[in-house]
Parts: sequence; C-alpha cells; structure tokens
Amino acid sequence: DIQMTQSPSSLSASVGDRVTFTCRASQSIRTSLNWYQHSPGKAPKLLIYAASSLQSGVPSRFSGSGSGTDFTLTISSLQPEDFATYSCQQSYRTPQTFGQGTKVEIK
Amino acid sequence: EVQLVESGGGLVQPGGSLRLSCAASGFTFSNYWMNWVRQAPGKGLEWVANIKEDGSEYQHVDSVKGRFTISRDNARNSLYLQMNSLRAEDTAMYFCGRGLQVSPGIDYWGQGTLVTVSS
Repeated sequence: DIQMTQSPSSLSASVGDRVTFTCRASQSIRTSLNWYQHSPGKAPKLLIYAASSLQSGVPSRFSGSGSGTDFTLTISSLQPEDFATYSCQQSYRTPQTFGQGTKVEIK
Repeated sequence: EVQLVESGGGLVQPGGSLRLSCAASGFTFSNYWMNWVRQAPGKGLEWVANIKEDGSEYQHVDSVKGRFTISRDNARNSLYLQMNSLRAEDTAMYFCGRGLQVSPGIDYWGQGTLVTVSS
C-alpha cells in the first residue's frame, strides 16, 4: 500500500495567518492527491482534488500544489471556520490511503 | 442539495454482524461510484470499500476482505455495508461518500454512523 505522511501533526495559528501543510507519498502518485477538511460531528469536506484543482464552492484562500511524492495545502488567510483537521488522500492506487491528518488549533 | 445519511451503527459484540445503510438524495445515485470510509477513535481516515455505478465492480481494503461486503440498490438510492465477524479494531465512525466524477476522490460525505465492537 502507498503510505501517506503528513506534517506537522498539529499546529497553532491565528486568524489571518498563512498556513501550509505538507503531505508526502511513499512512491510517486503523479497528481492523484486530494485534500479534505474534517471536524468531529461534521461531514468531511473535499477542498482540493488532483493536487491543485479547487472543488466547487471552496473559498479561494485554499490552494494545493505538488506532484510525484510531495504536496502542499496552503490557506492564505486563516478564518475562524478553518480550525479543523486536514487530511490528504492518494487516489492513484487501491487502497486509496489517507494521511494521519494535521490538526489546526487556535493560538 | 446532495444529502447522504448513514444509519445502522451501534454496539455489537466481537464476532457479531451489522449492516450499515446510506440513504442518498439530491442527485442521480445510479450515476456515481460510492464509497465507505471509516475513522477509528484517535486515528486518521481509512478507505474501506467502493462500488461502481451499476454495482458490477467493487473493491475492499485488505483488512476487511472476506468479512465486509459493499453493495447498492439504485432503485432505493441506497448504499450498504454488510459487516460480519466484527473485531474490536473495526470500532470507528463509518462515513459514506459519493465518488467525484472528474477525478478519483470523494466529493460529498455523510456525517457518519458509529460502530462500537465490544463485549
């Protein structure tokens, strides 16, 4: 199986901050990488698909980049509703594996 | 509005069975791959299974093969996960998700149903 490693596992930030998360695949997955936002009690939400495509309805402050094994998700200006956990998922090969998540907390 | 509502979770003893359901609305169910994903307490998300639009193809993660079966009923706009021989490590929140059409992924998710396997 392809292993997905996210860093950091958590971070503290303030409203208005620019934050960047990273996701590394154990082998090349080209651009078959999705990013999700999730919180307890809420349905997960797709933010970015195919590494850099913004899902419809997702604010433009979210952006994704990368290819091969290294990927990033950036939030250009953190908003109160963005405090959540962010997980990457590779869809290159079955099983579609997820990273362990990065939790964003209020500083 | 796309809606996915899971049901069927609960407390079950090791070795027991449960059948999860996911009721879909707000879209043409028969046009989409569907998925089950789970999240164990304190752990990350884990993809469990998916099924093609017409049910002719499906895949399961190795850890549930031979114990879990994904299925769907397009006439009822419903997705199912039959879970047999349950183990403590199957304890998790189970989400159903609609497959993204333009690229592999999951574009809409339900809020989940909790499965607890314990004696």
